[in-house]
Order: sequence, then structure tokens, then C-alpha cells
Amino acid sequence: SQQGEEDPQALSIQEGENATMNCSYKTSINNLQWYRQNSGRGLVHLILIRSNEREKHSGRLRVTLDTSKKSSSLLITASRAADTASYFCATDAWSFVASGSRLTFGEGTQLTVNP
Amino acid sequence: EAQVTQNPRYLITVTGKKLTVTCSQNMNHEYMSWYRQDPGLGLRQIYYSMNVEVTDKGDVPEGYKVSRKEKRNFPLILESPSPNQTSLYFCASSGGTGLTGELFFGEGSRLTVL
Repeated sequence: SQQGEEDPQALSIQEGENATMNCSYKTSINNLQWYRQNSGRGLVHLILIRSNEREKHSGRLRVTLDTSKKSSSLLITASRAADTASYFCATDAWSFVASGSRLTFGEGTQLTVNP
Repeated sequence: EAQVTQNPRYLITVTGKKLTVTCSQNMNHEYMSWYRQDPGLGLRQIYYSMNVEVTDKGDVPEGYKVSRKEKRNFPLILESPSPNQTSLYFCASSGGTGLTGELFFGEGSRLTVL
């Protein structure tokens, strides 16, 4: 299974509401990143949080990291229809196949914000 | 404008017909990587390159080749495509340490192998 796993798989909310997505991972990490992907498009980096940080903000985004629980959450406040996209967490993880540390992506949360 | 450019964006081919997906970045990044995205499997790394003439396997390298002769280009080669290589492919680059730095992605290349 993936190093990073997002929850829920899909989330549907109304415009103006807050959206919270969670990411759990298995092994120790150096940092965790969140990316956004509009349907069929390339991923866009949103925010990076290092293992020694607990919380980070960027505009309407708030990311928390709990290394003891091996989990992170992404909160989007006052959501807009334009926030509709898939959101992925990515963690650095050891890959035995590649014999090195890799940025490993989860399967993503599909967020739909209804106008 | 800083960008990662992939071509072609869409391609339908037949089993066994060699093809190349090109990737070019204009940010002078040392690190470049290829991923494939499949439903239920997320993004998986195929190959990566730390610099010119330095390439290494990712998690799913079988059936693919890459080369890095110039810093800006990192083509993905499918010598003998098979239907299980039907996927959405992304090229990415990074100016950081690469392996765990922020990645800049191309718009993707949707490949169908019949």
C-alpha cells in the first residue's frame, strides 16, 4: 500500500464551508507536502511542512503534522467552487526498489465544492 | 514563465511500436523525474535524474528507459509499449535536493496502448 493515504477518498461540501482532508503515513519522514490536481492536469505544490513543525499556514490553507500519530491534515477555510480538485499528500519514504529516499504520493482526496 | 513542458499530451499507439515522450524544463533544475498515474494506485515514480548523465530507477521502471544528455530535457522512452503501460504520465522537476523537494509538474501525457 501507499506510504501516504488520504482520507476521505471523496468529500463534497457547500461553498463557504471548511474542508478537512487527512493523510496518514507509515514510516518516519523528513517532510510532508500537499499538492492539488485539477481534473486531468498536472499537480501543483501547495505547502511543505517539515517533521519538526506542527502547523503551517498559507492563505486559506492550514496544515498540521502530528509525527507521533504519523498523520497530517489539510484544512481549506471558506471554500470556493474553484477549490474543486484532487488533493494529494506526499511524504519522503525509503524505497527498497530504488535504494533511496523518494517522494511518495497517496491516492488523493477528491474535493467537490458546490456553489 | 517557469514551466515543465511535455509532448505529446495525448497519444494512441499499438503494442510494440516504440515511442518517446519528451519533457523539457526552463528553470535550470538539476532534478527531474517521471511518474505514472493510474486509478487506485496514485502516482508512482518511474525514473529520476539528479543531474546530466545521472539517472536511476524509481519504483516502477520496467518497460521504460530515460536519458539525460542536457540539463533541461528528460525524455521517457517506451521501446516496446504494452497495454499495461496505458496511463497518464507526468514529468516533474525540482531545484531543491530533488528527492524530497518541491516538485514542479508538467501538464501530463495521456498514453493509450492498443
